Amino acid sequence: GAGVSQSPRYKVAKRGQDVALRCDPISGHVSLFWYQQALGQGPEFLTYFQNEAQLDKSGLPSDRFFAERPEGSVSTLKIQRTQQEDSAVYLCASSLAPGPNYGYTFGSGTRLTVV
Amino acid sequence: SQQGEEDPQALSIQEGENATMNCSYKTSINNLQWYRQNSGRGLVHLILIRSNEREKHSGRLRVTLDTSKKSSSLLITASRAADTASYFCATPREYGNKLVFGAGTILRVKS
Repeated sequence: GAGVSQSPRYKVAKRGQDVALRCDPISGHVSLFWYQQALGQGPEFLTYFQNEAQLDKSGLPSDRFFAERPEGSVSTLKIQRTQQEDSAVYLCASSLAPGPNYGYTFGSGTRLTVV
Repeated sequence: SQQGEEDPQALSIQEGENATMNCSYKTSINNLQWYRQNSGRGLVHLILIRSNEREKHSGRLRVTLDTSKKSSSLLITASRAADTASYFCATPREYGNKLVFGAGTILRVKS
């Protein structure tokens, strides 16, 4: 596609519910990143994929967070047993080349509200 | 854990004026990037400057990089109301594969 597509755009979850957030990167982009952005803050790194390999998951805040990219294209970020502190905008970004040395293309994000 | 720190936190100017935002970082880098984020949207890549470059231009944007001071500045000339957004600098983590973003500067351009 022309850009990075994320769905859903908005998600309201009850505390304890599991959620799945989807990211469709630009076709052919090798790198895929997930970021979490709290209100009024900059994006915080969650995890990085190079093709289907998850090379860095150091930013995932707990074992309730899980990400996958099984065929090296679409990625899903799953949050189990959501908590109120998980409320944030989740941003996906992709890049043509590996690593952080080229500009990222971001999706519009999924705004998650846990009530 | 944010590496880049922007200042000012917020900036309000009149249309037509220039806007300057600064970014400081802590570790060695091979590039520094600036992004814009309109309210409720994702980030848009504006410009990347490599560590061996001192200045780079793109349209009304001018970015400088001073590696000795570990700082960068973004200048937007002849600002427009449409430039109203948050602006973030980002640098690669010294070890690893990720960009680290600062907290951003909120720019408001009044018409």
